[in-house]
Amino acid sequence: GQNIDQPTEMTATEGAIVQINCTYQTSGFNGLFWYQQHAGEAPTFLSYNVLDGLEEKGRFSSFLSRSKGYSYLLLKELQMKDSASYLCAVTAAGNKLTFGGGTRVLVKP
Amino acid sequence: EPEVTQTPSHQVTQMGQEVILRCVPISNHLYFYWYRQILGQKVEFLVSFYNNEISEKSEIFDDQFSVERPDGSNFTLKIRSTKLEDSAMYFCASSEKPAPTDEQYFGPGTRLTVT
Repeated sequence: GQNIDQPTEMTATEGAIVQINCTYQTSGFNGLFWYQQHAGEAPTFLSYNVLDGLEEKGRFSSFLSRSKGYSYLLLKELQMKDSASYLCAVTAAGNKLTFGGGTRVLVKP
Repeated sequence: EPEVTQTPSHQVTQMGQEVILRCVPISNHLYFYWYRQILGQKVEFLVSFYNNEISEKSEIFDDQFSVERPDGSNFTLKIRSTKLEDSAMYFCASSEKPAPTDEQYFGPGTRLTVT
């Protein structure tokens, strides 16, 4: 089976940095995705990691350690529009995404 | 930018009725998926579809569920006899290549309410 854990909620101030952690236990591992989901909307792709290390894409970066079953998503220079849920998802065998419960990030002015 | 579309955006049905949720994946994509999200819960995989057949399905996807690609553009999810617990947001997704080599693009979802 697969188990993916991430904090339920985080609060941060506009302009600050927030790090969202994700730990996973899976039978098999083919990659880890981060998606952003605004309330009532579809998940949208943010990043993908399959090798250990940091992937940077503008204000967002994602890190993976396969040996530790750990990833984080780093959001820099937070903007009000970044208030959303951030979903960690893993692929093992097959094509399906297995999602964690999501971390709701609230950005305050 | 190409996008996945879904209709209807909201469907209300009575328990025991059949519903068909429709999706138009991105045109050059070959892999199709249905996920659902019960209000306040996590996104859950239902089924994946490739080359006109189901490639994987979850425990949720029982005999009440079926998928079909009736023509070159549509991808449908049918629930034969809806239950109260089927109330959820249903997301269709598509990808050009299989995961994990390609991201899945999600449609805006159909909110299904079973009364």
